[in-house]
Amino acid sequence: KQEVTQIPAALSVPEGENLVLNCSFTDSAIYNLQWFRQDPGKGLTSLLLIQSSQREQTSGRLNASLDKSSGRSTLYIAASQPGDSATYLCAVSPTTDSWGKLQFGAGTQVVVTP
Amino acid sequence: DTAVSQTPKYLVTQMGNDKSIKCEQNLGHDTMYWYKQDSKKFLKIMFSYNNKELIINETVPNRFSPKSPDKAHLNLHINSLELGDSAVYFCASSQNPGQVQPQHFGDGTRLSIL
Repeated sequence: KQEVTQIPAALSVPEGENLVLNCSFTDSAIYNLQWFRQDPGKGLTSLLLIQSSQREQTSGRLNASLDKSSGRSTLYIAASQPGDSATYLCAVSPTTDSWGKLQFGAGTQVVVTP
Repeated sequence: DTAVSQTPKYLVTQMGNDKSIKCEQNLGHDTMYWYKQDSKKFLKIMFSYNNKELIINETVPNRFSPKSPDKAHLNLHINSLELGDSAVYFCASSQNPGQVQPQHFGDGTRLSIL
């Protein structure tokens, strides 16, 4: 059974520091891994999607890496800003399911202080 | 323009009642999903429809019944509400069954059972 874990559960950094968020999964048989952002009272916003054949994806200040063999993904956010404060969730799509069923971690709550 | 919209945003009702949550997407996507986020913030898939056909049906009490009148709408009806149904319910959509395209989420419906 796939389990997705995110460490740490919460993180507070001063503005300007780089953020490093970790996601691990127990079954390496995945189609893809997605990183989402969730703001309080809001839905999820997809940040990056990494296919199982890819090693990383980049979008602006965001970079996500994927090491499928070790069951790990890392989301880097460069030069953090107060607007980056949110909960970040990772989710994997298992190969045992072809219909897009995502399995989520519990998230990392990030606070960036001015 | 709201891509995935859910109504109502908040729903407070008594145990034993029947209620419905509506979801509409204007992205032209083929696939829609319902997720439940419990008090511990874990997001779990409940149902998925592809072109109005049910493709994912997780272990959910049969008091929950999804209905897709067309591929732009996926509603969730809940009978005989119980205290444990209190959660945030998210609707999502994707272009195809999720393998290569990110899922787009609504803002959630916060259901509270008294």
